[in-house]
Amino acid sequence: DQQVKQNSPSLSVQEGRISILNCDYTNSMFDYFLWYKKYPAEGPTFLISISSIKDKNEDGRFTVFLNKSAKHLSLHIVPSQPGDSAVYFCAASNQGGKLIFGQGTELSVKP
Amino acid sequence: GAGVSQSPSNKVTEKGKDVELRCDPISGHTALYWYRQSLGQGLEFLIYFQGNSAPDKSGLPSDRFSAERTGGSVSTLTIQRTQQEDSAVYLCASSPDPALALYEQYFGPGTRLTVT
Repeated sequence: DQQVKQNSPSLSVQEGRISILNCDYTNSMFDYFLWYKKYPAEGPTFLISISSIKDKNEDGRFTVFLNKSAKHLSLHIVPSQPGDSAVYFCAASNQGGKLIFGQGTELSVKP
Repeated sequence: GAGVSQSPSNKVTEKGKDVELRCDPISGHTALYWYRQSLGQGLEFLIYFQGNSAPDKSGLPSDRFSAERTGGSVSTLTIQRTQQEDSAVYLCASSPDPALALYEQYFGPGTRLTVT
């Protein structure tokens, strides 16, 4: 039973264009959502988060959108840069505690 | 300040041996978590410590796995009688007190465990 799903294992985008990474969840008790970026042989790095009381949170080139009715969130990166190439994980929690992670999407930004 | 540190960075062990993995969380963080990532998989929750509360052990895959957190700081994850399916990257994370509604977790670099 996968409560957090990232259905696209990979995504390729041209430098300067928008990258959109998607994530779906099934548990309506989740109230906090996070995106992490992971390079090979390193631990995940926190990128951006959003509380369930909001529908959008923006930090520089990164924006997370939350659609609670659809149980869907997305991460927008604009403009995309080659250094953004990594695996991106979405995660969810219920009032803190353990994070439930998706399977990850490998983003490749081509120059 | 220093981030989460883990040791060793790599560990190769023979099937049936016991291993201990160590995690030093960020100073002042009251919550500590262990996850693992098997090859080609997402991150899987193992165990969670918060202050003096009883740990949430719901993610431990078998009774061969145990963890402790001494003095509210350093944590050790122990795997007894290792099996080949235990091979994975074991990741530790810490976060401030969740009661502060600060739920971001900060990860260490991980320990890559290989069971031969």
